[in-house]
Amino acid sequence: DTAVSQTPKYLVTQMGNDKSIKCEQNLGHDTMYWYKQDSKKFLKIMFSYNNKELIINETVPNRFSPKSPDKAHLNLHINSLELGDSAVYFCASSQPRDEETQYFGPGTRLLVL
Amino acid sequence: ELKVEQNPLFLSMQEGKNYTIYCNYSTTSDRLYWYRQDPGKSLESLFVLLSNGAVKQEGRLMASLDTKARLSTLHITAAVHDLSATYFCAGWSTGNQFYFGTGTSLTVIP
Repeated sequence: DTAVSQTPKYLVTQMGNDKSIKCEQNLGHDTMYWYKQDSKKFLKIMFSYNNKELIINETVPNRFSPKSPDKAHLNLHINSLELGDSAVYFCASSQPRDEETQYFGPGTRLLVL
Repeated sequence: ELKVEQNPLFLSMQEGKNYTIYCNYSTTSDRLYWYRQDPGKSLESLFVLLSNGAVKQEGRLMASLDTKARLSTLHITAAVHDLSATYFCAGWSTGNQFYFGTGTSLTVIP
């Protein structure tokens, strides 16, 4: 069974469109995350979320919004896509304890044309 | 914000050689993580270092943490081609956000 899964794997879309990326984890973890990895492989946290608290990286444009229907899912919705949004987006999950590592999904490769 | 700097950014080494990747971070965090990423793939956890002086080893990789120097190292012993990947260190900021280092792209040459 896949621990952290994301759909779609690839997403090609036009500027100005709205899109969503879905993430599901079957590890029973309480905390989920979204990361953006750019073309230079820099990884930046966008959001971390558990059922009590959403922590937003202040550098993330408000066109990006996480939506969590339940503890096992954290979807990423992006409004008015821009060229600079092209990147690989990774979902991850962990238990909230500090000693726990994060488990990453396979990534969604987004290309905005 | 936590600043996490790795060096070198790029490393090309011959099989059988030893080398160390360095990770400097800006806060007094006592937890440090190492991940591996193969080209086009996701991230895989390698080590979790939870206290000053922590040392962990897995195969040809050994990681250590010096919280006083705010330094972690990833030592590679007798490199083999399978170790070619990008290696990231990461840690928690005081604001409870997780930050990754710049990554070290390792190529092991036969």
